[in-house]
Amino acid sequence: AQSVTQLDSHVSVSEGTPVLLRCNYSSSYSPSLFWYVQHPNKGLQLLLKYTSAATLVKGINGFEAEFKKSETSFHLTKPSAHMSDAAEYFCVVSFRGDQGGKLIFGQGTELSVKP
Amino acid sequence: DTGVSQDPRHKITKRGQNVTFRCDPISEHNRLYWYRQTLGQGPEFLTYFQNEAQLEKSRLLSDRFSAERPKGSFSTLEIQRTEQGDSAMYLCASRKVTGSADTQYFGPGTRLTVL
Repeated sequence: AQSVTQLDSHVSVSEGTPVLLRCNYSSSYSPSLFWYVQHPNKGLQLLLKYTSAATLVKGINGFEAEFKKSETSFHLTKPSAHMSDAAEYFCVVSFRGDQGGKLIFGQGTELSVKP
Repeated sequence: DTGVSQDPRHKITKRGQNVTFRCDPISEHNRLYWYRQTLGQGPEFLTYFQNEAQLEKSRLLSDRFSAERPKGSFSTLEIQRTEQGDSAMYLCASRKVTGSADTQYFGPGTRLTVL
């Protein structure tokens, strides 16, 4: 069965320190992987996506993620957190064997940024 | 603003009443998805349309739920005889199909509260 697991439900960092949000997936097919962010009372916004090109993917607002097939991981990182990064982050997968292209979401990681 | 709009943004109803939500996708997008997000969870797929055809429904979509996309543009999601367990955020997303990892653009959601 296809699934995605976010290893931390909550991460707290200080402003200016690195961010690491962990994600593992399980799939029998080649995945496409995404990270979305959800700010309070706002819609989901795409941060970045992996589509089988470069394994290191750069996204908006200084975020990046690395696809590691051997580890079935797609962790999200940012070198220096900003107060505006506080939000809920979702690791998302879709499978190329799925013609519908529906997205499967992890349970989310809430990122808090302390001044 | 992603260009996907949903109406209403909030709906409070009493158990047993019917409710209908509307989604207006980005105009050139041929695929439209509905997801449901309960508190503290990631969104879960409900159904999707390719133009006006409904091609897949999740087992989460009980027979009290019906969705339409009559002219391949906007879509409606109706819930009949609402139950308290239907309380959730209902999200709509649209996509222009060009490949296997196209971005889905999400609307702001409709938050349903069933009393």
